[in-house]
Amino acid sequence: DLQMTQSPSTLSASVGDRVTITCRASQSFSTWLAWYQQKPGKAPKLLIYKTSTLESGVPSRFSGSGSGTEFTLTITSLQPDDFATYYCLQYMTFGQGTKVEI
Amino acid sequence: EVQLVQSGAEVKKPGESLQISCQTSGYDFSNYWIGWVRQMPGKGLEWMGIIHPGDSTIKYSPSFQGRVTVSVDKSISTAYLQWSGLKASDTAMYYCGRQPANFNYGYAFDIWGQGTMVTVSS
Repeated sequence: DLQMTQSPSTLSASVGDRVTITCRASQSFSTWLAWYQQKPGKAPKLLIYKTSTLESGVPSRFSGSGSGTEFTLTITSLQPDDFATYYCLQYMTFGQGTKVEI
Repeated sequence: EVQLVQSGAEVKKPGESLQISCQTSGYDFSNYWIGWVRQMPGKGLEWMGIIHPGDSTIKYSPSFQGRVTVSVDKSISTAYLQWSGLKASDTAMYYCGRQPANFNYGYAFDIWGQGTMVTVSS
């Protein structure tokens, strides 16, 4: 079975920081990877799909890259609204999540 | 406006059956897969299963195969997630999500329902 390993599990950062979250696949399966943001008590929100395509309405400080088995979500200049948990999704498997906290 | 509206919170006893729903509107129901995702309290997202309303093709995660049933009623553009014998470990928030059948979004769910909280307790 495909497994997605996200790192780090928790990330402490400050407003204005550049943040990078990595998702590693247990096998090279697809180039199609998505990234989600979830805030407490809310449904996940799509940020990036097909590895690097920004969903409509998502700020340009979010970007995605990667190929093969390693994928990255980058947030340039972290904003107060960005403190949340982030998940990657490839095919039928989510990563375990990365909590971005102050 | 595209909307996925899920049924309300449920409290059930172990062994009981349950069906929760995801009513969609604002788009062509037959052109998008509908998937289900579990989130246990304080935990991450788990992909459960997905159905194509156009031809009723279903895919289940091995972790959920045989434990739940996904279905749709095309006449009312609604998807369902069903259990026949709930366990305390089924206590979780359940989300439905839409995935374009033309793979314009790859395997991503672009729109999500608000979630249905299921509590199973004796």
